[in-house]
Order: sequence, then structure tokens, then C-alpha cells
Amino acid sequence: DAKTTQPTSMDCAEGRAANLPCNHSTISGNEYVYWYRQIHSQGPQYIIHGLKNNETNEMASLIITEDRKSSTLILPHATLRDTAVYYCIVRVLPYGQNFVFGPGTRLSVLP
Amino acid sequence: AAGVIQSPRHLIKEKRETATLKCYPIPRHDTVYWYQQGPGQDPQFLISFYEKMQSDKGSIPDRFSAQQFSDYHSELNMSSLELGDSALYFCASSRKENYGYTFGSGTRLTVV
Repeated sequence: DAKTTQPTSMDCAEGRAANLPCNHSTISGNEYVYWYRQIHSQGPQYIIHGLKNNETNEMASLIITEDRKSSTLILPHATLRDTAVYYCIVRVLPYGQNFVFGPGTRLSVLP
Repeated sequence: AAGVIQSPRHLIKEKRETATLKCYPIPRHDTVYWYQQGPGQDPQFLISFYEKMQSDKGSIPDRFSAQQFSDYHSELNMSSLELGDSALYFCASSRKENYGYTFGSGTRLTVV
């Protein structure tokens, strides 16, 4: 699986959009981009995933560049409860293959 | 909605003892994954099972074993416990046509 590079930490003001970047310059054509987050000591939580089109769900939006070498997770209106470690993971989709976590971005949403 | 259930939530064991952690996946999920997360570390994959057969293996020590039963629940057995085994242990489950995992709340194991 391709490796990813994320900032170690980021701050965001409450109510503003949080934009979390991820570089995956060695991604191959059959690898998907996944985002998970882990709020302190809780189990990781699936957020969103995509292949090449932008995706949106009730939690976030995922913007993937046309060359697929980077992506951005967008939390449109960050709240204090969004403070967490965010993991960008790329992997091929064969069923049953495990996710490799870390290192991610520690997002702090500030009041 | 039903979630992944792990038991116990907390466990304290002495060195060289044995521990068994249990995981009950979401109904109709056929795959279970086990992860270990040490203090200040990222979750590390241990082992996974699909339809009661081991499907993938990560950095699981030989002292640990796991299995998935006919009702799809899974147990992680840990023997000859060491201080370094103190960690959060997460179980996750998924269903073949889904792409993401659902994680449980974890079991915090403390070895003293």
C-alpha cells in the first residue's frame, strides 16, 4: 500500500472549516483513500473514502486532486468534539485487508 | 444501531498470567479485526478472521492466539503476559460489501 504524509498537528477555530491535507504521491490506480479519526482512547471511527471523485457525507467532504497524489478532508463546521487524531490511509480494496494506521494529524479545535 | 461489543472494558492482570478478550461483531458482519494500541502509539494490526478462518496476520506475538466462532464472535487469548502488553485492544468488524470498519470501544489491559 502507498504511504501517506500528513501534518503532525493542526489547529482550527470552532465553527470554521477544518481542512486536513494528505499526500500520497505513490498511490496506484486501484488504491482508495480512506479517512478515519480517533478521539482520545476511543476506537477509530470511519469518516469517508474515495477513489478519484470527490465525496461528501454527513460528516465530511473528501477532495482528491486530479492526479490523485494528494487529498483534503474537510470538516465544514468544526466543533470541539471534532478534536481527534485524523488518519489518512490508502489501500487496495480486496476484502479483508487490514488498515494500517499512523502517523496521523492531531487536530485541535479551539473555542 | 448495534455496535461492536467488546468485553471486558477494563482488565488488570499480573505478569505471566493469561487473559481472554472477547469481541461481538455487528450482526451480519462476517469479518473481525484485532488491533493493539500502546500508550501514545497508533493502533497496530494484530490479526483478522473472515468466515471463521484467519484472513490476515500482523505483528501478533506468538504468546497470543485468536479465533472466530460459529456465531462470528471472536476471542483474543493472551498468555504469559508481560508489562509491555499493557495497551488498549480494539476489535473491529466489517461486512464484505462494506468498505469501512466499525470499531468497538476497546478493552484496556493493564499488566502489573
